[in-house]
Amino acid sequence: AQSVAQPEDQVNVAEGNPLTVKCTYSVSGNPYLFWYVQYPNRGLQFLLKYITGDNLVKGSYGFEAEFNKSQTSFHLKKPSALVSDSALYFCAVRTLTGANNLFFGTGTRLTVIP
Amino acid sequence: ETGVTQSPTHLIKTRGQQVTLRCSSQSGHNTVSWYQQALGQGPQFIFQYYREEENGRGNFPPRFSGLQFPNYSSELNVNALELDDSALYLCASSLEGRSSTGELFFGEGSRLTVL
Repeated sequence: AQSVAQPEDQVNVAEGNPLTVKCTYSVSGNPYLFWYVQYPNRGLQFLLKYITGDNLVKGSYGFEAEFNKSQTSFHLKKPSALVSDSALYFCAVRTLTGANNLFFGTGTRLTVIP
Repeated sequence: ETGVTQSPTHLIKTRGQQVTLRCSSQSGHNTVSWYQQALGQGPQFIFQYYREEENGRGNFPPRFSGLQFPNYSSELNVNALELDDSALYLCASSLEGRSSTGELFFGEGSRLTVL
């Protein structure tokens, strides 16, 4: 079975400070990992993905994420937070064998304080 | 902009009624997936359509059904609406198969309220 855990419902960070949004996963086989962002009353926007290769992946809007196989984690990071980064962030996992749908975490609300 | 369009954006129904939601997939994509996002929750997988056939289903009852058309657009139908069906319904478009890049591209969603 596939699952994703986002242990923090809420993360607050001051503008200009680095941010981290945590994600751990459980999957049979090689994981394909994703981060999506959701602004109020909007759909999900793709930020970045890990399929294979370099464990540090870079995505949209200056975000990056580090895949750690031994810790089964895929934390989202940004060196300097902007107020406009305030949104709901979802981590998701899938495999390309068997079920190929995305399993989402429960989301982490990021608030960047001016 | 993902190129995935959904309609209607908002609708209100009463218990027991039926609803049809529509989705146009991104050009070049062959697969449509539907997700339900209840308030304060992450999206939950309903089902996926690939080449007009259901290709996986989540833990949703049979009153949730769907279609995919030859142009890869899709419909989600929900019969006998219940109050708990109130949610944001998200359509996601992707290219599956050997050329797959893995990610799904989402539309803006259809917000259904059941009274």
